[in-house]
Amino acid sequence: NAGVTQTPKFQVLKTGQSMTLQCAQDMNHNSMYWYRQDPGMGLRLIYYSASEGTTDKGEVPNGYNVSRLNKREFSLRLESAAPSQTSVYFCATVGQAISYEQYFGPGTRLTVT
Amino acid sequence: DAKTTQPTSMDCAEGRAANLPCNHSTISGNEYVYWYRQIHSQGPQYIIHGLKNNETNEMASLIITEDRKSSTLILPHATLRDTAVYYCIAHYAGNNRKLIWGLGTSLAVNP
Repeated sequence: NAGVTQTPKFQVLKTGQSMTLQCAQDMNHNSMYWYRQDPGMGLRLIYYSASEGTTDKGEVPNGYNVSRLNKREFSLRLESAAPSQTSVYFCATVGQAISYEQYFGPGTRLTVT
Repeated sequence: DAKTTQPTSMDCAEGRAANLPCNHSTISGNEYVYWYRQIHSQGPQYIIHGLKNNETNEMASLIITEDRKSSTLILPHATLRDTAVYYCIAHYAGNNRKLIWGLGTSLAVNP
């Protein structure tokens, strides 16, 4: 039981390159989230998916797209990376709706030069 | 979601109880109080949550004041491995979009 996994763990991109961050969970949870965390700032919600087939914007969606491929997988795509997207990206799933605790992956550390 | 206020940093001696306060004076009746911690750049880890009553699990206890305007997370016997940033969040479970994570409290457990 791996919980929430993310790939890759580290990535360096040049400005303008594209990439997809992968997230998978084996907890059978419906809801999944993508956050970014910058130094000196709290976690900020990029996109979330309440259930398979649905996605919605969070606080900072510009420059990102997401795909909820199936119940297990939720990917985050940067179409044209910018230095402002240098950050640590966390994927999370949400437990039962009534309790709503979140379970996080280990993070992807992205640097855009 | 209601804004929460936490001290920037705290210290605690190993083996002693760590009491981490959180102010959420604008919390609404249907918002839960959640606590998470983040150990050195790892993904945040869920600790505990509550609505009105005090809660306890294997990790910690959560004490919520009767007016629900503040709460305290208690780690009963802090260890060096409890050194982390602790986040208090007030959140209505039905509102995905407005999750607000502050900067948390950086807890240092000292030997």
